[in-house]
Amino acid sequence: AQSVTQLGSHVSVSEGALVLLRCNYSSSVPPYLFWYVQYPNQGLQLLLKYTSAATLVKGINGFEAEFKKSETSFHLTKPSAHMSDAAEYFCAVTHLGAGSYQLTFGKGTKLSVIP
Amino acid sequence: GAGVSQSPRYKVAKRGQDVALRCDPISGHVSLFWYQQALGQGPEFLTYFQNEAQLDKSGLPSDRFFAERPEGSVSTLKIQRTQQEDSAVYLCASSLAGTSKFFGPGTRLTVL
Repeated sequence: AQSVTQLGSHVSVSEGALVLLRCNYSSSVPPYLFWYVQYPNQGLQLLLKYTSAATLVKGINGFEAEFKKSETSFHLTKPSAHMSDAAEYFCAVTHLGAGSYQLTFGKGTKLSVIP
Repeated sequence: GAGVSQSPRYKVAKRGQDVALRCDPISGHVSLFWYQQALGQGPEFLTYFQNEAQLDKSGLPSDRFFAERPEGSVSTLKIQRTQQEDSAVYLCASSLAGTSKFFGPGTRLTVL
């Protein structure tokens, strides 16, 4: 079984401030982890993914995430928020092997950026 | 096409009506997925196709839900006798085998 918990359904940051979106996972096997972004009335866009290579993963739009096995976490960060980062962000988990096509998503964190 | 497309983008149905939601995946993508996203929730897996074969339908919430992909390309998700709890955004995604999924914009279904 696998699950994802995203801490904080809403996060507000000032433009130029650090963005930190939290994700903790539960998986009985080594996980593959993903962050997706969803803009209003649009589908999900992949930001970055961890698939057991480097623990620090860099994605698009200046985002990065670090896989910490000891903390079962995969938090998303960006050093300086832009207005265009305002969106909803979803963390998701899957694993290698049977059933790996099935992503399990968290409930999402809505990011607001204050000018 | 350039991306995954879904139609209609919005659908309003009266309770008890049947609806059909269409997904056009990226050309050449063998894998196709349907997810249901309720308001304020993350997407939840419904079903998975590899080419025309439906390999997993464990996420379909009831036998009122039916999905098909007869020629291994376009897929249709059909919901019979819609209920209010079926109101959600239905997301389609496609991928080459074992690679990252590309999601469509979704169909927002509202059942009155």
